[in-house]
Amino acid sequence: SAVISQKPSRDICQRGTSLTIQCQVDSQVTMMFWYRQQPGQSLTLIATANQGSEATYESGFVIDKFPISRPNLTFSTLTVSNMSPEDSSIYLCSVVQAVAGYEQYFGPGTRLTVT
Amino acid sequence: AQKVTQAQTEISVVEKEDVTLDCVYETRDTTYYLFWYKQPPSGELVFLIRRNSFDEQNEISGRYSWNFQKSTSSFNFTITASQVVDSAVYFCALLAAGNKLTFGGGTRVLVKP
Repeated sequence: SAVISQKPSRDICQRGTSLTIQCQVDSQVTMMFWYRQQPGQSLTLIATANQGSEATYESGFVIDKFPISRPNLTFSTLTVSNMSPEDSSIYLCSVVQAVAGYEQYFGPGTRLTVT
Repeated sequence: AQKVTQAQTEISVVEKEDVTLDCVYETRDTTYYLFWYKQPPSGELVFLIRRNSFDEQNEISGRYSWNFQKSTSSFNFTITASQVVDSAVYFCALLAAGNKLTFGGGTRVLVKP
């Protein structure tokens, strides 16, 4: 399975600032995604990170608020812009390896608290 | 549209008891995958199993077993002889057309010593 690392693992940020989260995978993967998990909730897909092109956002998420980059097949960043306390969540990077079937793995997550 | 329902929000058991987590899904696609993930208190999401829609064989892995019933659109998960380390939130998820995972609401399992 792919080994996924995320930086930072956690952060406490002031309202109105931005935070960029990095996701690094140890092998080339077919697809990369970003998810949000609000406190006590399930996971919600923010967007699909497309290599070399703009990310594909889900309903309710916009590029201005959550800009995403994916410069190559093993790395992606998610920025949470102009943060408010409602953005306090765990943000998870996820990758798909389409070998021997479809397997989707998740990074350790970034725990964000906005004050 | 895809939907996954985990009706049990929290289950509390005493160590060594068996616990079964229910998962019911909805999709119009004939080809799809079902997943179970474990999220311990540390927060990471641990992949447990993937099952495709054409494989209805039940599976056992150690103390874990899964029962896939296409006729009732269910993919239930049983932990046999539960241990304190099994305490976590468990998510069932569905992948159908569009390559996007849809998660259930999760079931929190608390195993008391």
